[in-house]
Amino acid sequence: ELKVEQNPLFLSMQEGKNYTIYCNYSTTSDRLYWYRQDPGKSLESLFVLLSNGAVKQEGRLMASLDTKARLSTLHITAAVHDLSATYFCAGAPQYGGSQGNLIFGKGTKLSVKP
Amino acid sequence: GAGVSQSPSNKVTEKGKDVELRCDPISGHTALYWYRQSLGQGLEFLIYFQGNSAPDKSGLPSDRFSAERTGGSVSTLTIQRTQQEDSAVYLCASSRGLPGETQYFGPGTRLLVL
Repeated sequence: ELKVEQNPLFLSMQEGKNYTIYCNYSTTSDRLYWYRQDPGKSLESLFVLLSNGAVKQEGRLMASLDTKARLSTLHITAAVHDLSATYFCAGAPQYGGSQGNLIFGKGTKLSVKP
Repeated sequence: GAGVSQSPSNKVTEKGKDVELRCDPISGHTALYWYRQSLGQGLEFLIYFQGNSAPDKSGLPSDRFSAERTGGSVSTLTIQRTQQEDSAVYLCASSRGLPGETQYFGPGTRLLVL
């Protein structure tokens, strides 16, 4: 059974600083997703990582995937207040269960302070 | 284009009553998913529809929960004899159904069972 763990669960950053959110998963997952959720809002897709070594970047966010280590990272560069949100990673079970549903981590609540 | 829409946006009901939640996926998306999000349990998969295949109901928490998808488009999630622990945000997502495709989430229905 696929389990997804994120850390940290809470992150308070100063503007301009860099930080990394980690996402570990327990069994083989052939794709890894990152989503953003603002308070009271739904989930917004950020990245889909499909293969070992995949790296994707959008603005100040960069996501990577290491399938051998079963680890994905979301790196934040020079944080700004607008990045304050909760970030979720999610894996897709490869064996058993549904081939379609996602298993989510508990989320990392990011707060960027001036 | 239009995204995933859900109705109602909020629903307050009394314990023991039945509720129906509706999801309109993105046009042309063959895959439709229901998840729920609560403080205690995080984001949980409920049910997955893919085209004309039998739905994957492996995430439904009890037989009080059911869902159908008519005409390959609109889906209704029904909760019978609601309990207080059913209080959560119910999120619907859709995708093109291909491996690695992004799941696009709707705004959710916030359900409160009194």
